[in-house]
Amino acid sequence: NAGVMQNPRHLVRRRGQEARLRCSPMKGHSHVYWYRQLPEEGLKFMVYLQKENIIDESGMPKERFSAEFPKEGPSILRIQQVVRGDSAAYFCASSPPDYGYTFGSGTRLTVV
Amino acid sequence: EDQVTQSPEALRLQEGESSSLNCSYTVSGLRGLFWYRQDPGKGPEFLFTLYSAGEEKEKERLKATLTKKESFLHITAPKPEDSATYLCAVQAREAAGNKLTFGGGTRVLVKP
Repeated sequence: NAGVMQNPRHLVRRRGQEARLRCSPMKGHSHVYWYRQLPEEGLKFMVYLQKENIIDESGMPKERFSAEFPKEGPSILRIQQVVRGDSAAYFCASSPPDYGYTFGSGTRLTVV
Repeated sequence: EDQVTQSPEALRLQEGESSSLNCSYTVSGLRGLFWYRQDPGKGPEFLFTLYSAGEEKEKERLKATLTKKESFLHITAPKPEDSATYLCAVQAREAAGNKLTFGGGTRVLVKP
């Protein structure tokens, strides 16, 4: 049983470009979470999704950031018009209902 | 707002030198307290979940304990392979799904 798969592992974008981060949850997991880890800071919750539904997006910046978890395929975190402050490690986690979750290895976004 | 504070920020130990990490928290009704280990360039790896004051859990050289306001992670006779960042997180009872609030982590370095 593969773990939570995130790709790409490393992503470099120029300021103003779009970044798309993908997350495939563990088999049988219907809940997906995105967290951001800024350099020298702790993990911060961004969004919680179930298939085709955003359940809690209280940690998402209001502009430029969006997330989806379609009926088929991976969850996508999209960052439009990236700025240097978006440089961070983005972690996805998945879980079955009402249970602890498993993290992926993360996508390290660098904005140049 | 839920808050988690971990101390110390960094800890240097000699191999075999036991120590404890602290996690202080404030949460409006605790559903669970989680400990994770994070190695450089990797996602957090689940260690323990504690649910109620007085609960203890052990795994190899690690032991986690919980009171109403804090949790401790005791490392007994550590080895160099225990070097990592240890993260503490809380889940509030009313949190949608399994949203976690993380502390800043304690970086542990065990020297041979």
